[in-house]
Amino acid sequence: NAGVTQTPKFRILKIGQSMTLQCTQDMNHNYMYWYRQDPGMGLKLIYYSVGAGITDKGEVPNGYNVSRSTTEDFPLRLELAAPSQTSVYFCASKDRGMHEQFFGPGTRLTVL
Amino acid sequence: DQQVKQNSPSLSVQEGRISILNCDYTNSMFDYFLWYKKYPAEGPTFLISISSIKDKNEDGRFTVFLNKSAKHLSLHIVPSQPGDSAVYFCAARSYGNKLVFGAGTILRVKS
Repeated sequence: NAGVTQTPKFRILKIGQSMTLQCTQDMNHNYMYWYRQDPGMGLKLIYYSVGAGITDKGEVPNGYNVSRSTTEDFPLRLELAAPSQTSVYFCASKDRGMHEQFFGPGTRLTVL
Repeated sequence: DQQVKQNSPSLSVQEGRISILNCDYTNSMFDYFLWYKKYPAEGPTFLISISSIKDKNEDGRFTVFLNKSAKHLSLHIVPSQPGDSAVYFCAARSYGNKLVFGAGTILRVKS
């Protein structure tokens, strides 16, 4: 099992550009999450999904969109990149009945 | 409004000694508490957890203690090893299976 994979590992965007951060898990987990981590801060929840076709906002959803058309994939979309979205983004998944989440390696995004 | 707080940004410990990492929370509705370990340029990895109905959970060198009345938990690592040097995040499970994270504590174990 590869677990949770994220692409790309690094990306530099210009203000106003858009991009999609990819996240895939091969553990057949129902729950998937997107977090961002700013320097010296904990992880903050952006969006989450409890299953294919179901998504909901987390603590910091503004400027982002998600979709969940399959169990495996949970892409995060940035439509108009802003410097405030410079951060490290982590995707995670969790199986029903478990409490621990499994994290991907992260995507480091810089918006200039 | 920080619901989960790790008030020590960093901790330095000698190899072989005990490391104690602390975490405070404000929301009494949290039902599970988890500790994650994170190395640079990697994602967090799950370390140990404790249910809100327990006061202690042990897994090898790692023990988590929960004091519900004080809304405080701690992670003990005995004995500490250089490979334990990492950032440790405390997290609490909220409604909807969401986790709320503290800001993390950098642990350095000196050999």
